[in-house]
Amino acid sequence: QVQLQESGPGLVKPSQTLSLTCTVSGGSINSGGYYWSWIRQVPGKGLEWIGYILYSGITYYSPSLKSRLTMAVDTSKSQFSLKLRSVTAADTAVYYCARQYGDTFGQYYFDYWGQGSLVTVSS
Amino acid sequence: SSELTQDPAVSVALGQTVRITCQGDSLRNYYASWYQQKPGQAPILVIYGKNNRPSGIPDRFSGSSSGDATSLTITGAQAEDEADYYCNSRDYTSNRVIFGGGTKLTVL
Repeated sequence: QVQLQESGPGLVKPSQTLSLTCTVSGGSINSGGYYWSWIRQVPGKGLEWIGYILYSGITYYSPSLKSRLTMAVDTSKSQFSLKLRSVTAADTAVYYCARQYGDTFGQYYFDYWGQGSLVTVSS
Repeated sequence: SSELTQDPAVSVALGQTVRITCQGDSLRNYYASWYQQKPGQAPILVIYGKNNRPSGIPDRFSGSSSGDATSLTITGAQAEDEADYYCNSRDYTSNRVIFGGGTKLTVL
């Protein structure tokens, strides 16, 4: 059973950098066909996709966040990470890491999710 | 770009059948997936692909699609099915991942 666990500070000051790490267990982060993803949810609102990284290091970011975003993967630690720069109160959200499966038949789905990490941006 | 549209709220009487719909151009090219989210919990996958249920998801959940729309059907809704439901797919014009706005299901 694959498990994902987010970790990182729960409070970040405005203009600073939000950093989160997702640790994957019970499965290999090196497996092909998977997109290691970040999704966030402002309390009371819907899900917003942030971006993904492949085990090879290839990334794809949401256009709305691309200018502030960096993702990385450390296969030796089975971890992938998120850095979001110049945060504001609008970035306050629960951040989820998740594994997305994708294939050539048009199937894309998030089969495993972390429990979520609430990050508050406040001074 | 492409978006996914869902009704904000739907209600169903206990034991009855409810359909939650999702519409968007990308659904002509990609299958949607559906997620159930209860308060304070992470979303869980309930339907993916043409009409597939992950292990542990009751068979009262099913999916269907036609053209640019896809539906999640709950046949014989239970009290524990009360939750927010989100559809998800890929933007057919890019590699962007997209979510519908979510549907709040109330079981009466």
